[in-house]
Amino acid sequence: TQLLEQSPQFLSIQEGENLTVYCNSSSVFSSLQWYRQEPGEGPVLLVTVVTGGEVKKLKRLTFQFGDARKDSSLHITAAQPGDTGLYLCAGGGPGGSYIPTFGRGTSLIVHP
Amino acid sequence: ETGVTQSPTHLIKTRGQQVTLRCSSQSGHNTVSWYQQALGQGPQFIFQYYREEENGRGNFPPRFSGLQFPNYSSELNVNALELDDSAPYLCASSLARRGAEQYFGPGTRLTVT
Repeated sequence: TQLLEQSPQFLSIQEGENLTVYCNSSSVFSSLQWYRQEPGEGPVLLVTVVTGGEVKKLKRLTFQFGDARKDSSLHITAAQPGDTGLYLCAGGGPGGSYIPTFGRGTSLIVHP
Repeated sequence: ETGVTQSPTHLIKTRGQQVTLRCSSQSGHNTVSWYQQALGQGPQFIFQYYREEENGRGNFPPRFSGLQFPNYSSELNVNALELDDSAPYLCASSLARRGAEQYFGPGTRLTVT
């Protein structure tokens, strides 16, 4: 079973601060996704990273896939209250059927 | 492009009863996955259907079963409901060739009393 560990579990910051959340595993993933989920809603896909060392940017969000494809990070610059939510990483294994594994998530609150 | 829809949005059932949850996949997507999301957890994979065949199953008992129809919509059936089955149930659709990218519906919140 592939496990994804996310840290920190909770994060409470002021508007304008920077933050980084981490997603780690002992397993290699063929790809990794980041989602954001708001209360009472389903997760919304933010990005997919596929290549080791890959960096993708989405406005103030920067996503990085580790060189060994076992870990990933999400960095938010100048956080805003609209960034509040549960950030989830999910990975798929190498080859074969894709059975997604989700981390427990990082719950972010950005205070105005 | 129509997104993923789920029905009903909320449901209250009694222990021992059976329930059916429904999901319409995003237009063009042929794969549907179902998840249970316990409080404070990420979504837990129940099973996945690709072109009407079960394509993988998580660690859930056989009383959790599913169907996918020719139009790629799907049902999740749970028999002999237990109190611990109370949770939001999420449906996600994807294209098999890019199956890693899941597009989620809003969920069905099931309460078992």
